[in-house]
Amino acid sequence: EVQLVESGGGLVQPGGSLRLSCAASGFTFSDHYMDWVRQAPGKGLEWVGRTRNKANSYTTEYAASVKGRFTISRDDSKNSLYLQMNSLKTEDTAVYYCARASEGYYYYYMDVWGKGTTVTVSS
Amino acid sequence: SYVLTQPPSVSVAPGQTARITCGGNNIGSKSVHWYQQKPGQAPVLVVYDDSDRPSGIPERFSGSNSGNTATLTISRVEAGDEADYYCQVWDSSSDYVFGTGTKVTVL
Repeated sequence: EVQLVESGGGLVQPGGSLRLSCAASGFTFSDHYMDWVRQAPGKGLEWVGRTRNKANSYTTEYAASVKGRFTISRDDSKNSLYLQMNSLKTEDTAVYYCARASEGYYYYYMDVWGKGTTVTVSS
Repeated sequence: SYVLTQPPSVSVAPGQTARITCGGNNIGSKSVHWYQQKPGQAPVLVVYDDSDRPSGIPERFSGSNSGNTATLTISRVEAGDEADYYCQVWDSSSDYVFGTGTKVTVL
């Protein structure tokens, strides 16, 4: 069964740091681009960032709202994806989803999602 | 930045057809993907590349894309289709962009 399981969420103070993990199973993790998407309480979906695969040098892209504060990495030997979040702000409070990206006609789409992990930034 | 606009809500009776629009500048030149999200659950891909369905998604879900509007059509709507629906594209200047979301209510 294809599956993504996020972990590492919790309560953190503004200015603090948190590291999220995403464990993948049931597919060849190393072949795929992987994304992080978040959803603030009662709001819509917001793309956070992406890591490409080894064939594309593991390059990363980030949304403007998190660039310079968040870092995405992956460990293909452990089938795992990570999101290091620093200098957290209250507006980073959200459910964070990891998602598998598959290549479409024009670009990539997210065809497998984890159940999400909740991050709350509050004093 | 690229903006995708969806109606906040659509209401439909069981057995009828729901149409959810996604407006964007020249969106017909891009590939549009649609996600269904039920309360408390993760999003699920229901249509990709404008009109293709992933394995396991009923044929009742279909998509089209032309000009400045993409549309997700749900035929023979069922109570279980009640959810939020998001369109999404990739744009060279904005990267991934999600629509504002549409809440589908089955009357």
